Amino acid sequence: AQSVTQLDSQVPVFEEAPVELRCNYSSSVSVYLFWYVQYPNQGLQLLLKYLSGSTLVESINGFEAEFNKSQTSFHLRKPSVHISDTAEYFCAVKQSGGSYIPTFGRGTSLIVHP
Amino acid sequence: SAVISQKPSRDICQRGTSLTIQCQVDSQVTMMFWYRQQPGQSLTLIATANQGSEATYESGFVIDKFPISRPNLTFSTLTVSNMSPEDSSIYLCSVEVQEGQPQHFGDGTRLSIL
Repeated sequence: AQSVTQLDSQVPVFEEAPVELRCNYSSSVSVYLFWYVQYPNQGLQLLLKYLSGSTLVESINGFEAEFNKSQTSFHLRKPSVHISDTAEYFCAVKQSGGSYIPTFGRGTSLIVHP
Repeated sequence: SAVISQKPSRDICQRGTSLTIQCQVDSQVTMMFWYRQQPGQSLTLIATANQGSEATYESGFVIDKFPISRPNLTFSTLTVSNMSPEDSSIYLCSVEVQEGQPQHFGDGTRLSIL
């Protein structure tokens, strides 16, 4: 079984400031890791994923996350946020290699102030 | 990826009634999932719906309360039966397009019970 911990329920930040949303996981097997974003009144959209290979993964809108196996973390970062980044962010983990059900964190609400 | 259409997008229902939520995918998928997202919380898996077999329900969810149909590889329905205010939630349809790959989500159905 896996578990995911998102340490911050809410992260307020000013526009153009850097941000880090923390995600730690626990698992006894190899895992895939994901970040999803949920904008108001929408479903979840995949932001980025780590399946294998380079531990640093990037999204098309400037977010990046680094898989750190020793620290069992997959923190999400962006060097300069925009108002439009205001949303709920969910970290998810699932067992690698097959059709397994992912485990989602409780979510972090990113609030970008002008 | 996949385009997922969920209907209705939102509804307000009376206590004791039932509502059927539809999920249509633009490609054939083996695995479809139904989640519940209660206000301010993360996603809870209700059941996995595979074509040609009965849905597999997670602990705490039963077929009498949440009957699911999966008539083909592109469509599924979830019915919320005998609704009470505690069923007020967002219900999300999700699919796994390729084994091991991340799930894709519909925009959800926002349900309020009076």
